[in-house]
Amino acid sequence: AQKITQTQPGMFVQEKEAVTLDCTYDTSDPSYGLFWYKQPSSGEMIFLIYQGSYDQQNATEGRYSLNFQKARKSANLVISASQLGDSAMYFCAMREGWGYSSASKIIFGSGTRLSIRP
Amino acid sequence: DSGVTQTPKHLITATGQRVTLRCSPRSGDLSVYWYQQSLDQGLQFLIHYYNGEERAKGNILERFSAQQFPDLHSELNLSSLELGDSALYFCASSVDNSGRDEQYFGPGTRLTVT
Repeated sequence: AQKITQTQPGMFVQEKEAVTLDCTYDTSDPSYGLFWYKQPSSGEMIFLIYQGSYDQQNATEGRYSLNFQKARKSANLVISASQLGDSAMYFCAMREGWGYSSASKIIFGSGTRLSIRP
Repeated sequence: DSGVTQTPKHLITATGQRVTLRCSPRSGDLSVYWYQQSLDQGLQFLIHYYNGEERAKGNILERFSAQQFPDLHSELNLSSLELGDSALYFCASSVDNSGRDEQYFGPGTRLTVT
């Protein structure tokens, strides 16, 4: 069965430092996608970054990068040069399978609450 | 603003009642997903519709049902409500069904069952 684990319930980081949020997953499907979302205190869910299981390179989106280690089944989110506005809840998610005939489910981790100190 | 709209924003109702939550996807998006976020269960995937057809089911209770209409808006119906159904219900949309596309979330509907 598919599973997502985020072992850090909360983290405090000094502004301008880099931060790594951990995510490990478990699946038997060779085709899957990994996502990271940010949920600020206002409640909305904001897509940050995506990594496909067959992607050769780690995904990057601005200050966000995904450290994808397939053999270890980990997909850690790295935020470079953290800002006060990065304070939020961060969720790792996985979807097994893709393709127009796919009927896959999506599961989310329990989240990591990141707090940036000025 | 993600372009996904959800109504109502807040809903307070009593146990045993039935409610309907509505979602309008971004223009051009064919997929609609429903999620429930509660303190004890976290963020749970409920159901996915693509172009009017159900594509995947998650942890959706039998008391809950959903549909996607020809104009692509979607409704989530919750019946025989219990206190434990109190949660934030999100709708998300994406362009297609490939799984490689990002999902845009609506602002959510906060349901309180008293």
